[in-house]
Amino acid sequence: ETGVTQTPRHLVMGMTNKKSLKCEQHLGHNAMYWYKQSAKKPLELMFVYNFKEQTENNSVPSRFSPECPNSSHLFLHLHTLQPEDSALYLCASSPLNGFENYNEQFFGPGTRLTVL
Amino acid sequence: AQSVTQLGSHVSVSEGALVLLRCNYSSSVPPYLFWYVQYPNQGLQLLLKYTSAATLVKGINGFEAEFKKSETSFHLTKPSAHMSDAAEYFCAVSTQGGSEKLVFGKGTKLTVNP
Repeated sequence: ETGVTQTPRHLVMGMTNKKSLKCEQHLGHNAMYWYKQSAKKPLELMFVYNFKEQTENNSVPSRFSPECPNSSHLFLHLHTLQPEDSALYLCASSPLNGFENYNEQFFGPGTRLTVL
Repeated sequence: AQSVTQLGSHVSVSEGALVLLRCNYSSSVPPYLFWYVQYPNQGLQLLLKYTSAATLVKGINGFEAEFKKSETSFHLTKPSAHMSDAAEYFCAVSTQGGSEKLVFGKGTKLTVNP
């Protein structure tokens, strides 16, 4: 596998379910991101991890819980979601190589989440 | 703080016509600028980037963009549209010095008519 992979690609869950989204990057990057992309809304940055440490949480509701066990893996744990949480969830990674840090981000294909 | 404005949420062109997608940025320090493309039900793919070298940047699929500091613009162009160019395009900005974040515009959906 190369690049950024996300599993599952599609997920349908009820409001009382607990599920997890997984992201894995094979690029040797240091930073990982979760984004939410809803219809008719701009791309929303949710969380940023830098060297496994969370450095940004953009006022995301606690029903979304991220986990970054190492620089290659990122999870998004979901519980008691609402129908308005239905969206495409995108994972990205970037190298953060010191001064010449362009912060070019590499995206996974996304997980299409539907909350019933 | 930096920001990006993409003029026109929808652009429609005929196959073979010029594609012009507009992006204006705001940044108090020299920016790095990116264009990403998103095909339906897929993630974002980098088209091209400006990192303070040449102001005219060539990307994949025949796209290019020109950094114009005086106009704070980074418009994306392609001389001749192809049906396969139909997608959503996002302009983004980051700044030199280790910022972790990319700031994205709201996107422009490009339709190519036969």
